Amino acid sequence: EAGVAQSPRYKIIEKRQSVAFWCNPISGHATLYWYQQILGQGPKLLIQFQNNGVVDDSQLPKDRFSAERLKGVDSTLKIQPAKLEDSAVYLCASSLGAGLGVNEQFFGPGTRLTVL
Amino acid sequence: GENVEQHPSTLSVQEGDSAVIKCTYSDSASNYFPWYKQELGKRPQLIIDIRSNVGEKKDQRIAVTLNKTAKHFSLHITETQPEDSAVYFCAAGSGTYKYIFGTGTRLKVLA
Repeated sequence: EAGVAQSPRYKIIEKRQSVAFWCNPISGHATLYWYQQILGQGPKLLIQFQNNGVVDDSQLPKDRFSAERLKGVDSTLKIQPAKLEDSAVYLCASSLGAGLGVNEQFFGPGTRLTVL
Repeated sequence: GENVEQHPSTLSVQEGDSAVIKCTYSDSASNYFPWYKQELGKRPQLIIDIRSNVGEKKDQRIAVTLNKTAKHFSLHITETQPEDSAVYFCAAGSGTYKYIFGTGTRLKVLA
């Protein structure tokens, strides 16, 4: 079974620039998550999709962050414009979801973003 | 708001000793409690999980206990080995499939 795929793996940008991350979840997984993991901290949920609908985006800084999952499969997360404090690893995860009860989330390798 | 507290933040043990990491959650609707291990530069990997209808679960050297009344759960690693060195995260999940993660525990197993 293929795992969660993310790209790029690393990205370095200057502040005020824009950046986009891509995630392809495990086939058949209805729920997709984007997390921000700052060095030394636990993953913080940014946004949760159930198929192509948003379930929770309460911690997404909507003035600069946006995410979409148009066809209920792949997802993109965008930051525009980036700030220094956005430097972190952005993790995508997926789970079966869809009425099966809470279950294991599988994580992608993450994208390490450095904002200079 | 929903919160998961995790202690200690760092833990050093001698090889062969046991390690215990504790988490406390605030959301009484939480019903799923996974533990993830994250090695440096790698993705979090599930090592064990427990559901709210079970008080204890064991898998070889790893065990998790859950006290629903007190809203806390713990990870126990026995006979620790150097390869157990990593950061461990607890999480509390609810019916919306959402996890709240703890802040992590950096475990060092000294040879």
